Amino acid sequence: GDSVTQMEGPVTLSEEAFLTINCTYTATGYPSLFWYVQYPGEGLQLLLKATKADDKGSNKGFEATYRKETTSFHLEKGSVQVSDSAVYFCALIDIYNQGGKLIFGQGTELSVKP
Amino acid sequence: DTAVSQTPKYLVTQMGNDKSIKCEQNLGHDTMYWYKQDSKKFLKIMFSYNNKELIINETVPNRFSPKSPDKAHLNLHINSLELGDSAVYFCASSRGRGNTIYFGEGSWLTVV
Repeated sequence: GDSVTQMEGPVTLSEEAFLTINCTYTATGYPSLFWYVQYPGEGLQLLLKATKADDKGSNKGFEATYRKETTSFHLEKGSVQVSDSAVYFCALIDIYNQGGKLIFGQGTELSVKP
Repeated sequence: DTAVSQTPKYLVTQMGNDKSIKCEQNLGHDTMYWYKQDSKKFLKIMFSYNNKELIINETVPNRFSPKSPDKAHLNLHINSLELGDSAVYFCASSRGRGNTIYFGEGSWLTVV
């Protein structure tokens, strides 16, 4: 079945460092791809999305490009802030194979130090 | 206005009790979901309803029963609570299947 794999956390960075969180997926159909963020003690917020190959999603300085050839959707940010400390989830929806349910990666915890 | 709201946010209860979590969305969506987040933060779908009809029912103990009185509400009732039910339960909604899913703030359930 479809699946999502993220890089292991926790990831610890200094403020203003460059962030990459790797995400790869396995899908038989043509999924839409998402990044969600969960700040400590809070719910899940949609960060960005891409619905087809070569689309780039972006929001709040974060961006990710849907790469069909490498089945990847890596999250990047040029300069992280302490307030970006959170757990980041990569996810996919494959309507043709999984009926529209959101399948998550295991989450990557990011900690940004001042 | 909160788009997807669920109550209660925190719930501490004893083993064997029955409890409900309520969810409402004001986004005009027709599809609603319940997801469970375990202690390792792994998220998995439990149920999905489209226009009040159950369309996804993952392998969940039948102590868990969802109810959708209308398109804007999806409640989760849990009977005979067990220690292993301790988790965060997220309600979510989308406009149809396969579209972007928006989540509520979560309900932190602790069974003691």
